[in-house]
Amino acid sequence: QVTLRESGPALVKPTQTLTLTCTFSGFSLSTSGMCVSWVRQPPGKALEWLALIDWDDDKYYSTSLKTRLTISKDTSKNQVVLTMTNMDPVDTATYYCARMNLAVAGKGFDYWGQGTLVTVSS
Amino acid sequence: DIVMTQTPLSLSVTPGQPASISCKSSQSLLHSDGKTYLYWYLQKPGQSPQLLIYEVSNRFSGVPDRFSGSGSGTDFTLKISRVEAEDVGVYYCMQSIQLPPFTFGPGTKVDIK
Repeated sequence: QVTLRESGPALVKPTQTLTLTCTFSGFSLSTSGMCVSWVRQPPGKALEWLALIDWDDDKYYSTSLKTRLTISKDTSKNQVVLTMTNMDPVDTATYYCARMNLAVAGKGFDYWGQGTLVTVSS
Repeated sequence: DIVMTQTPLSLSVTPGQPASISCKSSQSLLHSDGKTYLYWYLQKPGQSPQLLIYEVSNRFSGVPDRFSGSGSGTDFTLKISRVEAEDVGVYYCMQSIQLPPFTFGPGTKVDIK
């Protein structure tokens, strides 16, 4: 059974750095074809893809946010961590992690976490 | 970046009636490997998105056969043959031919009349 769960602070202040952790089970990120991404959704708005890390430790970032994002993985802990620097109120959103398994649904996200709401406010 | 557009942005459907959502991309989603990287998700109220269709027309595991996807190149359609109450939510298309970034459409909100 595949599960993903996001964790991190619910509230951050402007200019602070946000660190989110995705803890997953039911698969290994060292398996060829496995990837984990972060996607966010401001309240009442559309989904926005942020970053992806694959089994080979290749990393990809949103064009507009790449200077602020860092994605990493700890395969032994089954975790993927996303950091976002210089947080701003416009970054208030629900942050999701999601799995991609190239062998099952191609480059689609087949499993998602429940999301974690991050509010940026002083 | 590839821009995804969806029409309509909202849709009110009578149960048992069909529904159709269009998605267009600013560039072709047909890859040289022969696959077309267009996906459909449904986000039910208060829930995380869930994958419905992958690579244009393949239903993901557990997705009812009343959902179908079609299209090619830059024009795609999601059809629901007979809408049920549980189908309400926001439908998103997404492209993943280009990385980075993956891009989502603005979403189409479907509700029941």
